[in-house]
Amino acid sequence: GNSVTQMEGPVTLSEEAFLTINCTYTATGYPSLFWYVQYPGEGLQLLLKATKADDKGSNKGFEATYRKETTSFHLEKGSVQVSDSAVYFCALSDINFGNEKLTFGTGTRLTIIP
Amino acid sequence: GAVVSQHPSWVICKSGTSVKIECRSLDFQATTMFWYRQFPKQSLMLMATSNEGSKATYEQGVEKDKFLINHASLTLSTLTVTSAHPEDSSFYICSARDFRLAEYYEQYFGPGTRLTVT
Repeated sequence: GNSVTQMEGPVTLSEEAFLTINCTYTATGYPSLFWYVQYPGEGLQLLLKATKADDKGSNKGFEATYRKETTSFHLEKGSVQVSDSAVYFCALSDINFGNEKLTFGTGTRLTIIP
Repeated sequence: GAVVSQHPSWVICKSGTSVKIECRSLDFQATTMFWYRQFPKQSLMLMATSNEGSKATYEQGVEKDKFLINHASLTLSTLTVTSAHPEDSSFYICSARDFRLAEYYEQYFGPGTRLTVT
């Protein structure tokens, strides 16, 4: 079956540091890949996505590239801010008999200190 | 953007009672709603998928008689945990999607409901 493995947290960085959160996946077929972010007290929000190999998703300074050869979708940001503190979830979507489902990683809590 | 609300945000109930959680899409019509369960430090696990006007499709291992899902309108789905027990204590999250929108893949998530069964 499908699965997503992401870097365990928590991760604590200083403001303006470089961020990488690793994510690898196992899937049959050709999944779409996503990063979701959950800010305190709020629901998950789609941060970025990539639907095929070598696609790069980007949003709010975050980037992730769909690497089929390494089955990875690592999240990166060049200079993090305090406002980036949140929980980040890597996920994949695979259409199975027309019933699309999201499979999530365990989430990585990121804290940015001034 | 699309907003999904859940009510209540947290609930405490006694063992053996039933609890209803509501999920509403506030500014769009949700042809499909999903219910997830999240344990501490674990990922979201899909419990069931419901299409408006149809019976919910439950994931393997999820008891349909225990977790009753109703999706009677395009803006409301409810999850009822029947005869709740302490092991049902968890964080329940819903998401919603309008298949008619061009952004086919995106689900919009509610903030979650924390259920504690004593």
